[in-house]
Amino acid sequence: NAGVIQTPRHKVTGKGQEATLWCEPISGHSAVFWYRQTIVQGLEFLTYFRNQAPIDDSGMPKERFSAQMPNQSHSTLKIQSTQPQDSAVYLCASSFTGGNQDTQYFGPGTRLLVL
Amino acid sequence: GEQVEQRPPHLSVREGDSAFIICTYTDSATAYFYWYKQEPGAGLQLLMSVFSNVDRKEEQGLTVLLNKKDKRLSLNLTAAHPGDSAVYFCAVPGYQNFYFGKGTSLTVIP
Repeated sequence: NAGVIQTPRHKVTGKGQEATLWCEPISGHSAVFWYRQTIVQGLEFLTYFRNQAPIDDSGMPKERFSAQMPNQSHSTLKIQSTQPQDSAVYLCASSFTGGNQDTQYFGPGTRLLVL
Repeated sequence: GEQVEQRPPHLSVREGDSAFIICTYTDSATAYFYWYKQEPGAGLQLLMSVFSNVDRKEEQGLTVLLNKKDKRLSLNLTAAHPGDSAVYFCAVPGYQNFYFGKGTSLTVIP
């Protein structure tokens, strides 16, 4: 089992450009979670899908951020018009069924740097 | 919403000493509590889990205590070694999702 796969591992963008981050959950897991990690804020929940449907996006910034899960094998997090404050490590996790009953397994993260 | 406070944010111990990390929370569901370890450049790696009806769990030099009355979850690394240097996170089950502490950066000095 390859675990949760995230690509790219590192991304550098210029201010105002778009960034798309990819996550492949563990095979058989139906829930995918996105988090943002910074030194100042720690680990922040962004959004969560179960069976490809968005369940909770309460942590997503209202502008410029969007997430999709077009099929059970991958999810994307898109940031439009990136800003320096978007620089962070974006972590994806998956679990068997989602919610609070299953262990979340994390990918290695994508380190985004916006110049 | 659920609040999780993790202390201390930074911890430095000598090799062979114990390292103690604590999380306090305001509410939780009846489910698993977790401790994760994050090494530099990596994601969060599951360290230990304990169900909400368990008070104490020991495993390979790690002791997790869960005091539901006081709403405290702790992790004790006995006889820490340099390979334990990492950031540690607690995760408390809410009714829909998990709530994470802000992390404790542990440095074990040889």
